[in-house]
Parts: sequence; structure tokens; C-alpha cells
Amino acid sequence: ILNVEQSPQSLHVQEGDSTNFTCSFPSSNFYALHWYRWETAKSPEALFVMTLNGDEKKKGRISATLNTKEGYSYLYIKGSQPEDSATYLCAFKDPNSGYSTLTFGKGTMLLVSP
Amino acid sequence: EADIYQTPRYLVIGTGKKITLECSQTMGHDKMYWYQQDPGMELHLIHYSYGVNSTEKGDLSSESTVSRIRTEHFPLTLESARPSHTSQYLCASSGTGPEETQYFGPGTRLLVL
Repeated sequence: ILNVEQSPQSLHVQEGDSTNFTCSFPSSNFYALHWYRWETAKSPEALFVMTLNGDEKKKGRISATLNTKEGYSYLYIKGSQPEDSATYLCAFKDPNSGYSTLTFGKGTMLLVSP
Repeated sequence: EADIYQTPRYLVIGTGKKITLECSQTMGHDKMYWYQQDPGMELHLIHYSYGVNSTEKGDLSSESTVSRIRTEHFPLTLESARPSHTSQYLCASSGTGPEETQYFGPGTRLLVL
């Protein structure tokens, strides 16, 4: 079973703070890494799919980087807002299923206070 | 806007009852998935399907079963519910390709008494 680790487990910041989380994954047999955002009482929503080493993707104030050689991805939120409060999940394309399925980390729960 | 639906959203049921959790998508996706999540834990894949008449078990063993008779429909059944089945169940679908994201339904929260 693949191990996808996310840290920190939870984070509480003030509005306007910038923050970042880490996702660690096996560096061998890399195919793709997904980031999802999951707000309470809603469905998980895709943020980014990252496939290339050194890739950086951005959506508004949220960006992500990828290092496939060392097996980690960072998610950054610049100037956090209360509406950014959610659990952020990363997921690794599983080579054991022919890259058909995703293995998820436990997520980082972000709370942004006004 | 992703169009994937799950019913019921919440279910409280007694031990020994048979239950079916419904999942439907209108995006024409071939791949569909069922995940189970307990509080504070990861989403664990319990079943997936490549298309009609295809079903596979995920990395977490589950007593549930699934069927895929139509592309848009992927129901999950528990023949005899037990308290250990209490959990949240999420359905998802995706197209194919390395960058295809999964679209999730709103989930079903199941409580077995």
C-alpha cells in the first residue's frame, strides 16, 4: 500500500497570512499528483493535477510546486481568506492499479480566522 | 459544474438491514469509484470500475458489493449492515488520461445502529 503523507495535520492562521502545506509521496514510478480542496458539507473539488518535475501551477492565490525526484509537493496560499478554510488533500496516481486509481493522504485542515 | 449525485445523503439504519447507496453521473465518464472515509482518516478506495460490466476491488477491503450495468450508474450494496459499516461513503467519476481529475459526489453518511 502506498504511503502519502501530508503535513501539518491542521493549521490555524489569521486572515492575510500566507501559508503552505506539504505532501510527500513515493518518488519511484511517479505518474501524477492531484490536489483537492474539501470544504465542510461539500464535495472535494480538484485544484491541480501535476505531472512534470519542477512543475508549478497557480489558481488565483493558490499555487503548487512539484519535486518528483525527492517525492514532495508544496501547496501555497497567499494572503489567506476565511473562505480558504477547508481540508486540502493530495493524492498520488497508484502504479499498482496501472495508474487508474488515486491514493489519498489524510489532508491538511486549514482554518482561517477573520 | 460536476454532475454526480449520491442518495441518500444521510442514512440511519438498524443492524442486519440491506442497504443500497446510489451514485449517478451525467458526464459520460467511463471510470467510477467508491471511497470510504472515517473521521480523521484518509479517503480509502473500496471499489472502482473501468466501464460497464467492469468492477474491481480497491485497496481497502470492504464487505460491500458494486455493480455497473449502465455507464452512468454505480450503486453500492451492503447485504447486512453492521455498526462497523458506519462511515462516510463518497462516489467519484473521471475520464481517462494522466491528468483526468476525479469529480466527487456529496457523499452519504451512514450510521448503523
